[in-house]
Amino acid sequence: LAKTTQPISMDSYEGQEVNITCSHNNIATNDYITWYQQFPSQGPRFIIQGYKTKVTNEVASLFIPADRKSSTLSLPRVSLSDTAVYYCLVGEKNQGGKLIFGQGTELSVKP
Amino acid sequence: EPEVTQTPSHQVTQMGQEVILRCVPISNHLYFYWYRQILGQKVEFLVSFYNNEISEKSEIFDDQFSVERPDGSNFTLKIRSTKLEDSAMYFCASSAGRATGTYEQYFGPGTRLTVT
Repeated sequence: LAKTTQPISMDSYEGQEVNITCSHNNIATNDYITWYQQFPSQGPRFIIQGYKTKVTNEVASLFIPADRKSSTLSLPRVSLSDTAVYYCLVGEKNQGGKLIFGQGTELSVKP
Repeated sequence: EPEVTQTPSHQVTQMGQEVILRCVPISNHLYFYWYRQILGQKVEFLVSFYNNEISEKSEIFDDQFSVERPDGSNFTLKIRSTKLEDSAMYFCASSAGRATGTYEQYFGPGTRLTVT
């Protein structure tokens, strides 16, 4: 499984765009990049998944360069409720497979 | 929107006692999981379950742990003789059997287990 590296913490202000970058130098050909969000005292929640280029949904965008050795989760116009831990996971997309979480990035959004 | 539910939300038990943590996965899901998170640490995989048997388990999931799907809706995690180091938040998760594109896992709110 590819090892991921993310910043331990980030600070932002309401209304700003936040970009969280994840490094995964050893990503394999069959690996996908998935991001989960975890609020305090809650279970993780799926945000977005991608393989290459750009993926966008109603919550976030995921940018993946051509070499796929890193990825950037972009949260547009964050609010206080976006304060959470964000996890980057890299692995094959297979049904029933375990998720391997790292330490994640603790995002703190200030007013 | 369907969701995974877990009971109880908080369980306090004495060392050496047995505990059963209960989960109701999303109704049409076929894959079930237990994870745990010790306070201040990362989420750790314990076990996955499919077709009434364990698919994969981690090193943490030793003989003190067991899982069961006693009926068509519940999924339980039993710890036979709890230790102090079992104190953690335990999350149940489930994922769909059909191809959804992302194979995302849906997590419950967790059960906080405190072993004294």
